[in-house]
Amino acid sequence: ETGVTQSPTHLIKTRGQQVTLRCSSQSGHNTVSWYQQALGQGPQFIFQYYREEENGRGNFPPRFSGLQFPNYSSELNVNALELDDSALYLCASSEGQPVEAFFGQGTRLTVV
Amino acid sequence: KQEVTQIPAALSVPEGENLVLNCSFTDSAIYNLQWFRQDPGKGLTSLLLIQSSQREQTSGRLNASLDKSSGRSTLYIAASQPGDSATYLCAVILIRRGDMRFGAGTRLTVKP
Repeated sequence: ETGVTQSPTHLIKTRGQQVTLRCSSQSGHNTVSWYQQALGQGPQFIFQYYREEENGRGNFPPRFSGLQFPNYSSELNVNALELDDSALYLCASSEGQPVEAFFGQGTRLTVV
Repeated sequence: KQEVTQIPAALSVPEGENLVLNCSFTDSAIYNLQWFRQDPGKGLTSLLLIQSSQREQTSGRLNASLDKSSGRSTLYIAASQPGDSATYLCAVILIRRGDMRFGAGTRLTVKP
């Protein structure tokens, strides 16, 4: 059984650019959630996908969008990057809700 | 609005000590509470999950308790070791939303 994997691990982008982050959920898990973690803070909920449909969204602007594929892997897209988007982006998968969530190692995004 | 607070923000103890980390939340309408460990720049590792109907969970040297009525959880670490040094985060899953709300974490340092 493989765990949650995220790619890439590190990324540097310029303000105004667009970025796509990827997440492969743990085998058998149909729910994927994305979180943003700024330095020294707890993760903040961005959105959640359940069986390819968005199933909840946090307080993030529309330039944060996502997608879940039939194999339950997921993408997080961020358009028009801002300096404040620099953070660790975490993906979590679970077998439905509300059960134990398992996190990937994260993608460190730096916007310059 | 659900607020999750962790006290203390940082803790330094000598090896071998028993210690308690605290987590409080303002809304008792939660499905469950989960404790995580995070090493610097890394993802989250699930330690313990306590469902709302449970009072405590144990895993090895770790014991977590939950008191929904008072909005509190504690993580007890017995016989601390230098390898326990990390940031410990608690998170609640909200009944109305399904996402996880995190505290800012307690940064633990165990000195040899």
